[in-house]
Amino acid sequence: AQRVTQPEKLLSVFKGAPVELKCNYSYSGSPELFWYVQYSRQRLQLLLRHISRESIKGFTADLNKGETSFHLKKPFAQEEDSAMYYCALRGIAGGTSYGKLTFGQGTILTVHP
Amino acid sequence: EAGVAQSPRYKIIEKRQSVAFWCNPISGHATLYWYQQILGQGPKLLIQFQNNGVVDDSQLPKDRFSAERLKGVDSTLKIQPAKLEDSAVYLCASSPRGGNMNTEAFFGQGTRLTVV
Repeated sequence: AQRVTQPEKLLSVFKGAPVELKCNYSYSGSPELFWYVQYSRQRLQLLLRHISRESIKGFTADLNKGETSFHLKKPFAQEEDSAMYYCALRGIAGGTSYGKLTFGQGTILTVHP
Repeated sequence: EAGVAQSPRYKIIEKRQSVAFWCNPISGHATLYWYQQILGQGPKLLIQFQNNGVVDDSQLPKDRFSAERLKGVDSTLKIQPAKLEDSAVYLCASSPRGGNMNTEAFFGQGTRLTVV
């Protein structure tokens, strides 16, 4: 079975402060990890994926297999970062959950001016 | 490219009635997902198709929910009969390929169902 846990439902920071959204996962194999974001009145969209090792809108996320975590970080939060963030995991062929894309409960990030 | 299209956007029905949702994925996408998102929760996978075959439907309440993807393109999700706890947003998503490819899932706007 695969599971994604986002321990914080709500996270509030001030503009310019660092932000970290936590994500832990369980999966019997090597998963693919993603962060999706949903801005107000918009559809769910991909923010970044672990395999790309990219920085999108100043956000980065590192896959830590030892701690089974994929935390999302940004050094200086902006008001436009306010949104719902979902961590997601997809199992890879050979595991017990071939291709299944599982989401966490989500974290609402609010960045105050 | 055009995005994932879903209809209707909103639906209000009485309990025990039937309802159907339609999804048109991005052209050429082999994988199609249906998710249920109850208010305050993350999306829960109901069913995943690879072309017109079912990859995973372990969380689909098969006594009342059904889904099909004819010809491996459009898909419909049906609830019959609906219960109050089915009130949620139903999301459709598609991706070029599932399995061991690192591919992004593209989401539709969703259908908000209210059962009264």
